[in-house]
Amino acid sequence: DVVMTQSPLSLPVTLGQPASISCSSSQSLVHSDGNTYLNWFHQRPGQSPRRLIYKVSNRDSGVPDRFSGSGSGTDFTLKISRVEAEDVGVYYCMQASHWPRTFGPGTKVDIK
Amino acid sequence: EVQLVESGGGLVQPGGSLRLSCAISGFTFSDYYMDWVRQTPEKGLEWLGRSRNKANNYAPEYAPSVKGRFTISRDDSKNSLYLQMNNLRIEDAAVYYCARDEGGTYLYWGPGTLVTVSS
Repeated sequence: DVVMTQSPLSLPVTLGQPASISCSSSQSLVHSDGNTYLNWFHQRPGQSPRRLIYKVSNRDSGVPDRFSGSGSGTDFTLKISRVEAEDVGVYYCMQASHWPRTFGPGTKVDIK
Repeated sequence: EVQLVESGGGLVQPGGSLRLSCAISGFTFSDYYMDWVRQTPEKGLEWLGRSRNKANNYAPEYAPSVKGRFTISRDDSKNSLYLQMNNLRIEDAAVYYCARDEGGTYLYWGPGTLVTVSS
């Protein structure tokens, strides 16, 4: 299975400041069809995950433009340009380029 | 509006069985692959398996960790997806989610249903 790692696992942030989460995979996520199926999800307590980003850098409708995704191959990053209070929760990366699909362990973001 | 709602969770003894359901609305169920994902504090999010769509004969696919114990099925006439879980273990205790497979991603998830495995 492809192992997904995230760092940091805990990220205290200051409101209005930028934040960055890294996600690495144990093998390249470039699919044979040429796409890279790397997703980012945000989960608040008691809720199901909400997709933010798909195929590395495509932001979902309704997701604020302060969120951006980047990366290639085995290394990916989710950036929040200016953290707002509603951004707290756990962020997960997930790969769907290889079977079975696998998720990162999550990065817990809270306010300092 | 797309909606997915899981049900059927509860308390079950080790070795027991449980069937989870996922009721869908707001889209043509037979067109989509549908997946089951579970979440535990210990292991995080874990993909369990999926049911392909009608065009692909609803063929299921499973994660090695549950293959042989879990069975995924669906009833398009009832707009429902199912997860039959047999020989449940302590480590199967989790929140179980159904999600619509969008081809490498999940935009729609249900709220989840909690399964507790304990004697």
